Amino acid sequence: DIQMTQSPSSLSAFVGDRVTITCQANRDIEDHLNWYQQKPGKAPKLLIYDASTLEIGVPSRFSGSGSGTDFTFTISSLQPEDIATYYCQQYDHVPPIFTFGPGTTVDLK
Amino acid sequence: QVHLVESGGGVVQPGTSLRLSCVGSEFTFNQYAMNWVRQAPGRGLEWVAVIWYDGSDKYYADSVKGRFTISRDNSKNTVYLQMNSLRAEDTAVYYCARSGPGLFYFDSWGQGTLVTVSS
Repeated sequence: DIQMTQSPSSLSAFVGDRVTITCQANRDIEDHLNWYQQKPGKAPKLLIYDASTLEIGVPSRFSGSGSGTDFTFTISSLQPEDIATYYCQQYDHVPPIFTFGPGTTVDLK
Repeated sequence: QVHLVESGGGVVQPGTSLRLSCVGSEFTFNQYAMNWVRQAPGRGLEWVAVIWYDGSDKYYADSVKGRFTISRDNSKNTVYLQMNSLRAEDTAVYYCARSGPGLFYFDSWGQGTLVTVSS
């Protein structure tokens, strides 16, 4: 089974800061990596799919990169409404299996 | 605006069964694969099951295989999760999620329904 690790598990940053979260797979997953945002008490929201494609309607300050085993999610300028937990998610094609990372909680300094 | 509404959650005893439902609207339901994803209290997300747009294929997480069954009724725009032999560790908010056009990501989510398994 593919295992996903995320780091850091939590971080605090100022409004306007650049925030970076990493996600690592224990084997090559090509670009089969997605990112979600979850605010407290709410359902998750898709931000980025296939490692770097921004979902329609998602602000351009969010971005993703990487392939293989190492992936990065970036918020270029942190906004108060970005306070949330962020999850990476990988997928296997055959059979279709989906695995989430443990999450990274982002809050304001 | 895609709309997904789950129902059927509640408090049940270990070993019993429960069926969750999710009704989709504002999109062509029979053109999309559908999933269930759960989240235990204070924990992360765990994918549970997926069903193809026409119901022809279904896949499950190892943690629920043999106990849970996903199904759909496209005439009712509804996907179900039949949960049998429930355990305390199945306690979670269960979300219904639509697979995106690329199939392998979840582009729309319901608000979730809470299942509590406790004696």
